[in-house]
Amino acid sequence: DAGITQSPRHKVTETGTPVTLRCHQTENHRYMYWYRQDPGHGLRLIHYSYGVKDTDKGEVSDGYSVSRSKTEDFLLTLESATSSQTSVYFCAISGTNNEQFFGPGTRLTVL
Amino acid sequence: AQRVTQPEKLLSVFKGAPVELKCNYSYSGSPELFWYVQYSRQRLQLLLRHISRESIKGFTADLNKGETSFHLKKPFAQEEDSAMYYCALVSSGTYKYIFGTGTRLKVLA
Repeated sequence: DAGITQSPRHKVTETGTPVTLRCHQTENHRYMYWYRQDPGHGLRLIHYSYGVKDTDKGEVSDGYSVSRSKTEDFLLTLESATSSQTSVYFCAISGTNNEQFFGPGTRLTVL
Repeated sequence: AQRVTQPEKLLSVFKGAPVELKCNYSYSGSPELFWYVQYSRQRLQLLLRHISRESIKGFTADLNKGETSFHLKKPFAQEEDSAMYYCALVSSGTYKYIFGTGTRLKVLA
């Protein structure tokens, strides 16, 4: 597996609390992505980054924010978690040939 | 609008039978298309990309620009092919990826 990790791997939280998920890469790739995976919806892009401090929205960005202060880390924050944000979250990185490498996923449950 | 459509949520075939997982896309320009696979309890991984025109694990996929399709095929399915398959395209310039909703392939003994 490419050097990409996610933390935490599992989290249970309550509605209204802020949550931050971390993606860490050791590949020095420029592009990083956050997706959510839900049955019937497949993978949907939340936000992505094309460099340090450079980010852009995906198709389901409402309720989420991101930050990238250094190449290796891409943080996803749920500002006030809701039950609709219960999902599996995947981070991915992309190299020069456009192949995406995925992290192991974070299973988030919002009660 | 850019879109990737996988019309089948579930495809069940018997071992040794041919498999075709359908993927259609909507994209203005020349797309770059991929197939990713997710085996049970594993992370997604690249299976095929149309640019390389290679065969991986017996799977092939041909880009048909006239029909805007990129169907994944294998002549003889194996039980270990059971997995979730995602078709995806990347938007040139923005490097945004668009994934389909996925097709779960079950290969029956």
